[in-house]
Amino acid sequence: EPEVTQTPSHQVTQMGQEVILRCVPISNHLYFYWYRQILGQKVEFLVSFYNNEISEKSEIFDDQFSVERPDGSNFTLKIRSTKLEDSAMYFCASSPPGGSGYTFGSGTRLTVV
Amino acid sequence: GENVEQHPSTLSVQEGDSAVIKCTYSDSASNYFPWYKQELGKRPQLIIDIRSNVGEKKDQRIAVTLNKTAKHFSLHITETQPEDSAVYFCAASTLLRGYNKLIFGAGTRLAVHP
Repeated sequence: EPEVTQTPSHQVTQMGQEVILRCVPISNHLYFYWYRQILGQKVEFLVSFYNNEISEKSEIFDDQFSVERPDGSNFTLKIRSTKLEDSAMYFCASSPPGGSGYTFGSGTRLTVV
Repeated sequence: GENVEQHPSTLSVQEGDSAVIKCTYSDSASNYFPWYKQELGKRPQLIIDIRSNVGEKKDQRIAVTLNKTAKHFSLHITETQPEDSAVYFCAASTLLRGYNKLIFGAGTRLAVHP
């Protein structure tokens, strides 16, 4: 069964540093997403991406965040200057048109110290 | 924007009993309602979903019901087993656009005791 792959599985970074979280969506999917889950809380939508541009973003997704699909296979989330409150599990997801077959990656646990 | 409320936050049942988790949503345009199971430290896994043109859907021990008028939907697990223990999230989405932004409920921690 096709999977969404995320790397790294765990990243520890100093406050103020930039981090890049990487994802490889399912190859025939067209829509890509990032979600965040703070420990013990619900999964929250950050951004959706289609046709090389952002379709929608939440209020969490401020100027410190950016997304990119640099090479046609990877989908990245960059946090420019990390804050302690950015510590969370970040899930990448992808879906084909129509919404069914929505698949989450295994997540990257980001710890900001 | 859409808001999804989920109850209860924790649920403890004996093995073999049924478990029911309820969600309400606010946006009448929402038309797709998936349920996810999340084990500790793992990704959310889709267990069942329902679209707004259907009132009920069943898959073995799991069923979901939808009441569009009242804007609520429920997950029913029958004959619970210890391996059903996990956090369950409901979500709501509008599939009018090509993409599918999910708005999640706060989750229900289900514990099934042998």
